[in-house]
Amino acid sequence: GAVVSQHPSRVICKSGTSVKIECRSLDFQATTMFWYRQFPKKSLMLMATSNEGSKATYEQGVEKDKFLINHASLTLSTLTVTSAHPEDSSFYICSAQGTSGRARGETQYFGPGTRLLVL
Amino acid sequence: GQNIDQPTEMTATEGAIVQINCTYQTSGFNGLFWYQQHAGEAPTFLSYNVLDGLEEKGRFSSFLSRSKGYSYLLLKELQMKDSASYLCAVRHTAGNKLTFGGGTRVLVKP
Repeated sequence: GAVVSQHPSRVICKSGTSVKIECRSLDFQATTMFWYRQFPKKSLMLMATSNEGSKATYEQGVEKDKFLINHASLTLSTLTVTSAHPEDSSFYICSAQGTSGRARGETQYFGPGTRLLVL
Repeated sequence: GQNIDQPTEMTATEGAIVQINCTYQTSGFNGLFWYQQHAGEAPTFLSYNVLDGLEEKGRFSSFLSRSKGYSYLLLKELQMKDSASYLCAVRHTAGNKLTFGGGTRVLVKP
């Protein structure tokens, strides 16, 4: 199936710093990318939907100024957690959806996730 | 709004069959997905149903009844590596977004 990479896989940072997470579709063009957050033993919660070349659409309760999303190309989206605090510690997962290459148009393909720990 | 329910946990024996049920209430239904997620890893795609009926793929089958708001994932010939969380997710016509259920943790015992 289609492959999505995510970098870094794990990051530890100090409170107040910003962290950037990259999500790449490796063998297809991702017209849409999604960012999720997952707490331990809980399910995925959608944070925002990102379409290439346009502003992201954030879910209710997600601060757009805190979680900056950029989808500059058809293979790359970034999530920047600004002024991170310990409560932002979580597992962040991106997914990508597209119709080219090995991707089935209706399916979201998930990256391996980024575990963020804010001290 | 959307509401997706699935059991929290199930235990089964290696070689057996397990059925994971998922019920949903949603507007703008546009398909149902099942994903497998091992601890600390990202979900991997298992199946997609948009029409009523059974989709079979090797040891895994998924069923959908849109009129009943019900789906199940059937895992046959269970293997130890099938121990994982299984996530039911409903796709919406608005924005192609997915709403996930809480996940069902399946533990396969020898």
